[in-house]
Amino acid sequence: SQKIEQNSEALNIQEGKTATLTCNYTNYSPAYLQWYRQDPGRGPVFLLLIRENEKEKRKERLKVTFDTTLKQSLFHITASQPADSATYLCAPRTSGNTPLVFGKGTRLSVIA
Amino acid sequence: DVKVTQSSRYLVKRTGEKVFLECVQDMDHENMFWYRQDPGLGLRLIYFSYDVKMKEKGDIPEGYSVSREKKERFSLILESASTNQTSMYLCASSFSPGQGEKLFFGSGTQLSVL
Repeated sequence: SQKIEQNSEALNIQEGKTATLTCNYTNYSPAYLQWYRQDPGRGPVFLLLIRENEKEKRKERLKVTFDTTLKQSLFHITASQPADSATYLCAPRTSGNTPLVFGKGTRLSVIA
Repeated sequence: DVKVTQSSRYLVKRTGEKVFLECVQDMDHENMFWYRQDPGLGLRLIYFSYDVKMKEKGDIPEGYSVSREKKERFSLILESASTNQTSMYLCASSFSPGQGEKLFFGSGTQLSVL
């Protein structure tokens, strides 16, 4: 069966450092992958989408990579700030209109 | 901005009650979804709908039903609430068809069944 693993349940990092979150998937070949941010008690908010033919995508301090050979996506936040503290969810998706399935998320804490 | 509105932020119900969770979106999205989120289990899909009066079971539909009489509204119904349905319920919507459409989520309803 399809499986999505976000390797760390929680990640603590010092302010100013780069946070790197990992998303691995098995038993399917997603056409693209989405990343969401979720704050406590709120719904997830879309951040970035990367397609299978894109190696890297950037948005401000965020960078996402997508390696279809390794079946992995990395999500980087450079110059991290306490305001970046949240849970980050990945959602790989095959083509077509199948519903989005999410990883369990990584809770990031940026310490001042 | 797209808005997905869930009728209640917090809800407390008794075991055996029939519970209605309402969700309304204002962007004419075709797709609507209900997830529940539990610590350690992540987001799990309960039901979804790609059109008015259409519904499909997700991964955990047991104990739930849905209704989509109008495009903008998608209701989740707990026929007879049980304590194991205590959870955060999240509604989402998106455009269709095509690849890459992002989900817009509501703020969630924290349901406690006592």
